[in-house]
Amino acid sequence: QKEVEQDPGPLSVPEGAIVSLNCTYSNSAFQYFMWYRQYSRKGPELLMYTYSSGNKEDGRFTAQVDKSSKYISLFIRDSQPSDSATYLCAMSAGGANSKLTFGKGITLSVRP
Amino acid sequence: GAVVSQHPSWVICKSGTSVKIECRSLDFQATTMFWYRQFPKQSLMLMATSNEGSKATYEQGVEKDKFLINHASLTLSTLTVTSAHPEDSSFYICSAWGERGHLSYEQYFGPGTRLTVT
Repeated sequence: QKEVEQDPGPLSVPEGAIVSLNCTYSNSAFQYFMWYRQYSRKGPELLMYTYSSGNKEDGRFTAQVDKSSKYISLFIRDSQPSDSATYLCAMSAGGANSKLTFGKGITLSVRP
Repeated sequence: GAVVSQHPSWVICKSGTSVKIECRSLDFQATTMFWYRQFPKQSLMLMATSNEGSKATYEQGVEKDKFLINHASLTLSTLTVTSAHPEDSSFYICSAWGERGHLSYEQYFGPGTRLTVT
């Protein structure tokens, strides 16, 4: 079993739709949870981060973490064509200079 | 956010030759840099962690003699792929962590280098 599993894609939605992206993990030591957005042939860009369980909202994006279920989600409201990209979840056990473990990524396409 | 650059962005080399990729933190001092490899439609796989002035720590399965990492200054780390072969063709991405990261897990990623070995 991989440490981080991410829902397979690709995912195609119409503009304005609510998008739900999910990851599960097996390592109980993970404390920090992140979502990155990656455009084609570019490096990842940090979108959201959450420490431990709970919700965090930033504009149209909401990140949720349920440590009891080892499950994290990213919700995108009022999706736009510019949101079309690959979304990767990443996790860390924390501490100084901690390495990140990434999910496989899911490619999202938002149709105008 | 902080800026991390990579050079070159794209390189083609012949099998058996060596290629050097640079990763620079442009507006902060990176005490730690990470090197990742990403194959098409795959996730980022950590290759090694390098701290300024010390030897890199390689992940299991990554050949340290093949992927030479040098982190000689707080703003520059280099990855040299020695005796490259076609199976080394991949997208190499660095990330940097340093004093601008107010939270320990915040890493800033470079734009990546696409290596093609013919």
